[in-house]
Amino acid sequence: NAGVTQTPKFRILKIGQSMTLQCTQDMNHNYMYWYRQDPGMGLKLIYYSVGAGITDKGEVPNGYNVSRSTTEDFPLRLELAAPSQTSVYFCASSYGQGWVNTEAFFGQGTRLTVV
Amino acid sequence: GDSVTQMEGPVTLSEEAFLTINCTYTATGYPSLFWYVQYPGEGLQLLLKATKADDKGSNKGFEATYRKETTSFHLEKGSVQVSDSAVYFCALSDRKGAQKLVFGQGTRLTINP
Repeated sequence: NAGVTQTPKFRILKIGQSMTLQCTQDMNHNYMYWYRQDPGMGLKLIYYSVGAGITDKGEVPNGYNVSRSTTEDFPLRLELAAPSQTSVYFCASSYGQGWVNTEAFFGQGTRLTVV
Repeated sequence: GDSVTQMEGPVTLSEEAFLTINCTYTATGYPSLFWYVQYPGEGLQLLLKATKADDKGSNKGFEATYRKETTSFHLEKGSVQVSDSAVYFCALSDRKGAQKLVFGQGTRLTINP
């Protein structure tokens, strides 16, 4: 069982370039999330989705976009990369139904450097 | 909004020492509480959780008790091992809606043999 798979693992971008971070999960989870982790800080929520076709902003959405066309995939798009977006990005997924609160599973992360 | 405050690190201990990492939270509702662990080069893994007041979560010798009166969820282990070296994150999740996690800043733990 692969769980949550992120690609690429590492990437260096130049200022103003664009890229898409890929995330896919094979656990049929309805909830998916993108977080960023800056040095010495906890994870901050960028965007999340409660199901295919439904996305919403988290705490730090500026400079990013997402889409959720299928249950499995939740790509994160950076349109105009800036040095402030240098970070480690984590995708996560979980199953939610009513008040049931299940474990979130995380991918291994994408380390992005913008120069 | 909801927030989590963790004991500042880094923390360095000798093998077999007793470990406590403090965590307190602020939340408007009745959140679920979690400890996640991140080993070098890996993503986060759930270590333990508690979903209501006075619940004790436990796993791999680690324990934490949900204390509503002190809004705390301190992580403890009686005898740490070198393999416990990692970054530990305390987090909360509102049990309704999208179950978004709010994280503390993380505590880096190093265990020396």
